[in-house]
Amino acid sequence: SQQGEEDPQALSIQEGENATMNCSYKTSINNLQWYRQNSGRGLVHLILIRSNEREKHSGRLRVTLDTSKKSSSLLITASRAADTASYFCATDNFGNEKLTFGTGTRLTIIP
Amino acid sequence: DGGITQSPKYLFRKEGQNVTLSCEQNLNHDAMYWYRQDPGQGLRLIYYSQIVNDFQKGDIAEGYSVSREKKESFPLTVTSAQKNPTAFYLCASSIRGIGGTGELFFGEGSRLTVL
Repeated sequence: SQQGEEDPQALSIQEGENATMNCSYKTSINNLQWYRQNSGRGLVHLILIRSNEREKHSGRLRVTLDTSKKSSSLLITASRAADTASYFCATDNFGNEKLTFGTGTRLTIIP
Repeated sequence: DGGITQSPKYLFRKEGQNVTLSCEQNLNHDAMYWYRQDPGQGLRLIYYSQIVNDFQKGDIAEGYSVSREKKESFPLTVTSAQKNPTAFYLCASSIRGIGGTGELFFGEGSRLTVL
């Protein structure tokens, strides 16, 4: 079953603008992770945020987590053409030893 | 270089045939996973293994089988019982940690097409 639901499903922005993607989930988590997937390739891990953390940064990426709302957001600042990809959130739920992925947001950066 | 190797990258199969997808890792990870991805969709878990000689069904295990005889290897067999096997298959591994699943490292995927 899909735990995470990303919003929007697709997003197109101009190069240099910021991109924000959201993820909602249903049950309590140990951590939430974001991954990127270029077309036809494997997924690449971007960032992991634990349930007791509220915000985390990595380069141009900023992730927030609101456990009371069961939601997370991924912000990519100063977007580049190379950021064009699909982005997935994945949740590690209490009692499970596996990640459950959402349906993804397809991001297109227009040069 | 450390990583995960999946083979073959592309595979064509006739209906009624079993096929085996290979997944090998040299990251010394205990946990390995198989996911299925359909066009425009997220990943769905087929099987996972936390330790050698042990594995568990994921959300869509029907029509698939796995083995974990070595730490480095986690092959997936798509059997003729799988009704709609055409998909992109992704293998991943992770360190088995306390307090949750850590970062997953993915292979480049195997695209299976049933003719």
